[in-house]
Amino acid sequence: EPEVTQTPSHQVTQMGQEVILRCVPISNHLYFYWYRQILGQKVEFLVSFYNNEISEKSEIFDDQFSVERPDGSNFTLKIRSTKLEDSAMYFCASSPGTANTGELFFGEGSRLTVL
Amino acid sequence: AQKVTQAQTEISVVEKEDVTLDCVYETRDTTYYLFWYKQPPSGELVFLIRRNSFDEQNEISGRYSWNFQKSTSSFNFTITASQVVDSAVYFCALSGTGGFKTIFGAGTRLFVKA
Repeated sequence: EPEVTQTPSHQVTQMGQEVILRCVPISNHLYFYWYRQILGQKVEFLVSFYNNEISEKSEIFDDQFSVERPDGSNFTLKIRSTKLEDSAMYFCASSPGTANTGELFFGEGSRLTVL
Repeated sequence: AQKVTQAQTEISVVEKEDVTLDCVYETRDTTYYLFWYKQPPSGELVFLIRRNSFDEQNEISGRYSWNFQKSTSSFNFTITASQVVDSAVYFCALSGTGGFKTIFGAGTRLFVKA
């Protein structure tokens, strides 16, 4: 069964360092998303991406965040200069249409720890 | 603005009890979509159900059932004869007309004791 895969599963970084989280969405999906979940808290929307551009982003997704689909298979989230409060689980998701046509398919998450 | 409220932070039940998880939503969109996702202890997010705003029919899937009431802006989830494997965090979620953004409630942690 096709699935969304994310790497790394866990990354530890120093404050101020750049981090890139990688995702391989399901191959025939057109819409891609990043969500984050601070430990024990709610799942928060960061950004959605379609047709090589951002469709919608939240207020959390400020200038230190960027997304890219560099090669037609990977979908990346870059955090330019990490802060302690960026420590969270980051979930990538994809869907064949918008969320209104069906479910989001989530990866298993990448845990980011900022020291 | 859109909002999803899950007022129950944690619920603890004994196996075989029925349990209802509440979800109240706010949206100005006339067309919107509601979801429930399950997050077991392993951490992944598992889709359970999607409902659109035009379909108020209740749905049953095995031990799971959902009650959608537009009049009270609620989309409640009932587990009948709960099992230990049902222990998880359950999230209610809402997507508006555009569909590019799904917002989640704070989640309800369900403990089912043997």
